[in-house]
Amino acid sequence: GAVVSQHPSWVICKSGTSVKIECRSLDFQATTMFWYRQFPKQSLMLMATSNEGSKATYEQGVEKDKFLINHASLTLSTLTVTSAHPEDSSFYICSARGGVNTGELFFGEGSRLTVL
Amino acid sequence: DAKTTQPPSMDCAEGRAANLPCNHSTISGNEYVYWYRQIHSQGPQYIIHGLKNNETNEMASLIITEDRKSSTLILPHATLRDTAVYYCIVRVAQTGNKLVFGAGTILRVKS
Repeated sequence: GAVVSQHPSWVICKSGTSVKIECRSLDFQATTMFWYRQFPKQSLMLMATSNEGSKATYEQGVEKDKFLINHASLTLSTLTVTSAHPEDSSFYICSARGGVNTGELFFGEGSRLTVL
Repeated sequence: DAKTTQPPSMDCAEGRAANLPCNHSTISGNEYVYWYRQIHSQGPQYIIHGLKNNETNEMASLIITEDRKSSTLILPHATLRDTAVYYCIVRVAQTGNKLVFGAGTILRVKS
């Protein structure tokens, strides 16, 4: 199947700093990517839809100024957690549509953020 | 997107078939049934999807009832590596259409 890669796979940062997570589609182009957050023992929660060349669409309750999303090319979307706090510590996962006519989404390996 | 209902957890003996049920009684005519799984601390993995016909691939089989209100994912010979959370999702297969996850079923394969 299609390959989606995230970087970094884990990151530790100090409270108040910003962290950028990259999501790349390695063998296909993705006009749309999705960002999810997952807390321990919980399901994935959709944060936002990242659209190439336009503004991201955020889900209700997700602060767009806190979680900056940039989708500058057809193979790269970035999520920046600004002024991170310990409550932002989570597993962040991106996905992109890899199938042409069937709509299946492929997911990255996830990025674990720990804010001290 | 239609809501799905899955049992919170199931156990299966290694080497036996694992049958994971999913109810989606409010599914619309143009909504597909998708199955994903998530092994601990990894991103979800696509398994299979279908509209109304039964489907089979190298990973699993998907059986959809004639009225499409429920489906069953079958792992024919479960291994310990199949221990994961399995998510059943129904959605319209369109470009850009988001995937919303429910609670899923924790499948524990035991030796």
